[in-house]
Amino acid sequence: GAVVSQHPSRVICKSGTSVKIECRSLDFQATTMFWYRQFPKKSLMLMATSNEGSKATYEQGVEKDKFLINHASLTLSTLTVTSAHPEDSSFYICSARTTAGVADTQYFGPGTRLTVL
Amino acid sequence: AQTVTQSQPEMSVQEAETVTLSCTYDTSENNYYLFWYKQPPSRQMILVIRQEAYKQQNATENRFSVNFQKAAKSFSLKISDSQLGDTAMYFCAFMKRAGNQFYFGTGTSLTVIP
Repeated sequence: GAVVSQHPSRVICKSGTSVKIECRSLDFQATTMFWYRQFPKKSLMLMATSNEGSKATYEQGVEKDKFLINHASLTLSTLTVTSAHPEDSSFYICSARTTAGVADTQYFGPGTRLTVL
Repeated sequence: AQTVTQSQPEMSVQEAETVTLSCTYDTSENNYYLFWYKQPPSRQMILVIRQEAYKQQNATENRFSVNFQKAAKSFSLKISDSQLGDTAMYFCAFMKRAGNQFYFGTGTSLTVIP
């Protein structure tokens, strides 16, 4: 099946610093990737849709200047949390949509736990 | 707008028994996909099963099967011969065929009791 990786899996940073999270599709090309945020025991909340070669589309209420998304290639999207604050602590999950294999399906990365001190 | 409802926050089942998780959705679309994802304690989201709305036949994957009732907008997941490894959070999801976005339900926490 399609594999999506995320790096790092866990990060702890100080308030005010920036953190970059990478999402890679390992065995397929993904023109579209998605970034989600998940609070404990809650569902996934879509933050933004990342399109290769164009600007990301952000969901209502998500600050695009705080959560910078870059989809530089067909296998890599990055999420940068700028000037992180404790309220940004959360579990961030990316997914990639594939049109190969099981078409029109999203495969998820293993997630990144961000803790801002 | 699309909404997905999972009315059972928590469920439990005895090992080797069968359990059914419910999911209803609301949409005006005619062409769409429905999914069940599993999120074990590792928090890795794993695709369990997928249904295309234009297909009347219910999807099955080994011990997992769905009961898709398009008119009733219902998409329940049946897990047969439950195993301890089935303990996880289960999310129902909807995606328009012509769209990108997933709409997730709030999840059902399933515990398989030995």
